[in-house]
Amino acid sequence: EAQVTQNPRYLITVTGKKLTVTCSQNMNHEYMSWYRQDPGLGLRQIYYSMNVEVTDKGDVPEGYKVSRKEKRNFPLILESPSPNQTSLYFCASSSSWRETQYFGPGTRLLVL
Amino acid sequence: GESVGLHLPTLSVQEGDNSIINCAYSNSASDYFIWYKQESGKGPQFIIDIRSNMDKRQGQRVTVLLNKTVKHLSLQIAATQPGDSAVYFCAETGSARQLTFGSGTQLTVLP
Repeated sequence: EAQVTQNPRYLITVTGKKLTVTCSQNMNHEYMSWYRQDPGLGLRQIYYSMNVEVTDKGDVPEGYKVSRKEKRNFPLILESPSPNQTSLYFCASSSSWRETQYFGPGTRLLVL
Repeated sequence: GESVGLHLPTLSVQEGDNSIINCAYSNSASDYFIWYKQESGKGPQFIIDIRSNMDKRQGQRVTVLLNKTVKHLSLQIAATQPGDSAVYFCAETGSARQLTFGSGTQLTVLP
């Protein structure tokens, strides 16, 4: 089944404790992206990747890092999480940036 | 970045009626538009898309209309069902290599 998977689905952590949210797709997509969703603000792009080893900032990249060492994986790294990073995070992928993006199920993060 | 907005944050319709959800965009360079549906606790799900060389596209019970003159996009859902209750987002992409989302419309289907 073609899908985008994220782990963990739920995470509670404390300020400053590094964490990684994994994202994997099995559709051989070149383009992958991370979004955060907050009430009243819709979906905002954090980072995106056009292909392996090619990443770029989206609209709200501060406090986040990403890497794209393999085509199928695109982890989101929070080096020092803060409470304002409490949010619902979605990973997405598509065959190219001009094509429809398919979303993962989301990761709900709470930073205390 | 460019903004993509929605006219109404909520919409309630009777089961069986048609629903129309509107979206305005401001980037004249936008050339690809997508409607997503997001049910509670789930990720956005693709519904239908349209490119700027078209003004109408139909799917199963859904139709997207694009008016480039006034930068307006709409999603029409025929014979709305309870399972259509969700938040609907329009999104656009153009010269920027990213998808820009509107803030969403909550559709509620009344019995």
